[in-house]
Amino acid sequence: DGGITQSPKYLFRKEGQNVTLSCEQNLNHDAMYWYRQDPGQGLRLIYYSQIVNDFQKGDIAEGYSVSREKKESFPLTVTSAQKNPTAFYLCASSTPGQTYEQYFGPGTRLTVT
Amino acid sequence: RKEVEQDPGPFNVPEGATVAFNCTYSNSASQSFFWYRQDCRKEPKLLMSVYSSGNEDGRFTAQLNRASQYISLLIRDSKLSDSATYLCVVLISGGYNKLIFGAGTRLAVHP
Repeated sequence: DGGITQSPKYLFRKEGQNVTLSCEQNLNHDAMYWYRQDPGQGLRLIYYSQIVNDFQKGDIAEGYSVSREKKESFPLTVTSAQKNPTAFYLCASSTPGQTYEQYFGPGTRLTVT
Repeated sequence: RKEVEQDPGPFNVPEGATVAFNCTYSNSASQSFFWYRQDCRKEPKLLMSVYSSGNEDGRFTAQLNRASQYISLLIRDSKLSDSATYLCVVLISGGYNKLIFGAGTRLAVHP
């Protein structure tokens, strides 16, 4: 079955530690996205990538970094510079020209204490 | 002001009820409009697109009023399985196309 996988489902870290969230897709989609979701707020775009070896900052990129070395993979690193890292992180992908239909992974709930 | 605003709910309705959700958007560059559904603690999934002429998919009807910058979703004959959060989503065109998500309206259908 084609889809997007994110791991782990739950992640706990101490403040000051960097942490990397995994996102893999086998949908053959060129575009991939990272969002965070906080209670009472809509999804907010962190980073996006339209093609391998290229990525762009979204609306809230500060304190995050990404890489796109393979079409299938788009890992997100939450650095210690991110002031409020505790959130639900969602990875998505889409085909070119169909940005509106994004397929999401199951998400990773990150808790930083 | 949020770019996409929704009543957070929750809307608590009995099975068989008709329920309507509203959404307003503020960005004039908004190009296309959608409703996504998100089950509790799960990922969002595209439910349907929204057109000025209206869009019907079974028990679901979506409507767009560009002049008022207003989007609606009507669910008829509610089922228990309709319980979820419904996200109003707007596609903004610009340097790149991006989706702007509303915070969602929660629906709870009870027996």
